[in-house]
Amino acid sequence: AQSVTQPDIHITVSEGASLELRCNYSYGATPYLFWYVQSPGQGLQLLLKYFSGDTLVQGIKGFEAEFKRSQSSFNLRKPSVHWSDAAEYFCAVGARLTGGGNKLTFGTGTQLKVEL
Amino acid sequence: GAGVSQTPSNKVTEKGKYVELRCDPISGHTALYWYRQSLGQGPEFLIYFQGTGAADDSGLPNDRFFAVRPEGSVSTLKIQRTERGDSAVYLCASSPMGHTEAFFGQGTRLTVV
Repeated sequence: AQSVTQPDIHITVSEGASLELRCNYSYGATPYLFWYVQSPGQGLQLLLKYFSGDTLVQGIKGFEAEFKRSQSSFNLRKPSVHWSDAAEYFCAVGARLTGGGNKLTFGTGTQLKVEL
Repeated sequence: GAGVSQTPSNKVTEKGKYVELRCDPISGHTALYWYRQSLGQGPEFLIYFQGTGAADDSGLPNDRFFAVRPEGSVSTLKIQRTERGDSAVYLCASSPMGHTEAFFGQGTRLTVV
């Protein structure tokens, strides 16, 4: 069965500093990988996704993530954090379901705080 | 274009009562998912519909939980004999046929007292 580990429960960075959120996954085949962001009272918003091909993927809001098969990792990065990036971030691995759907297994999330 | 709509946004119920949570997916999306997010946790898969049928219900925790999607659009998650441990945010998501990206609603926060 697939699983996702996000080792950092909380991270605090200063506005303008760089950010890296860690994600490790366990999956038997080539994974579909996702990063979602959740702001208070809001639903999950997709930041970026990896299916195949280029291992460095670009997403919305200036985020990027790099798939490293040898390390089973899919870390999220941003070169310069803005105060509005404060939120909870979830990494997820997707598995195909019968009927063509995609079951997401999420990590426990990393809460990002941005200091002004 | 409207996103995934979930009603109510908040629901408080007494232990032992029956509740229904509604999800209105994005128009034209054939796939619909329910997830449950407990405090301090990531969302956990409950059930997946492709059209009207439940293609995978392996995440439903027990037989008190049931979901329907009779016309292939709106879905209702039904919980019988609610328990305090059912308190969580219930998230609905939808996606077009053949797409892996899921679009999530804002969730229904269920509190069982």
